[in-house]
Amino acid sequence: DQQVKQNSPSLSVQEGRISILNCDYTNSMFDYFLWYKKYPAEGPTFLISISSIKDKNEDGRFTVFLNKSAKHLSLHIVPSQPGDSAVYFCAASAAGTASKLTFGTGTRLQVTL
Amino acid sequence: EPEVTQTPSHQVTQMGQEVILRCVPISNHLYFYWYRQILGQKVEFLVSFYNNEISEKSEIFDDQFSVERPDGSNFTLKIRSTKLEDSAMYFCASSVQFGEQFFGPGTRLTVL
Repeated sequence: DQQVKQNSPSLSVQEGRISILNCDYTNSMFDYFLWYKKYPAEGPTFLISISSIKDKNEDGRFTVFLNKSAKHLSLHIVPSQPGDSAVYFCAASAAGTASKLTFGTGTRLQVTL
Repeated sequence: EPEVTQTPSHQVTQMGQEVILRCVPISNHLYFYWYRQILGQKVEFLVSFYNNEISEKSEIFDDQFSVERPDGSNFTLKIRSTKLEDSAMYFCASSVQFGEQFFGPGTRLTVL
């Protein structure tokens, strides 16, 4: 039951360039979307979120775009830094479900020098 | 900056034994959650807890699992009789309300 999919298991980007991580979802009831970053042996760290009433949210180097008609969201990191190297998870929740998060499988981002 | 803490960081147990995983959520948060991640798989929701009762639970959260908030600060996950397939990272999370959830560092549970 893959309601949230991240089709790219890994991504390599040069330092200073843009990283674009993609996420697709199938459940039309999802109305809140989040991105988390995770280092090995640590818990997920919240990065940025977006409500379905918006199509863009920006926080410093991180921007999330939401295309509801395509059921697609993306995370842009500009400029990418070596410290951004981690696994990035997309997550979604639906109102009325006690905010249970459904996670994607993650994309491993490697930012090279 | 306030954070969610979890103890122990690693728990090794024999199959059939009971384990209790402990979490201290962020102090002004009202919603509490447990998730798990089996090695190589995605993070999966187990249970949410609000106002001293379970709000929602997944099909993973069967009768072998229970949660409790025994005092004003701790939030625990008990597995009554562990199985090999319970081996995973268990993450506690908390939130003020619906929205961003803040995760602890996790407890690695190894069932032998």
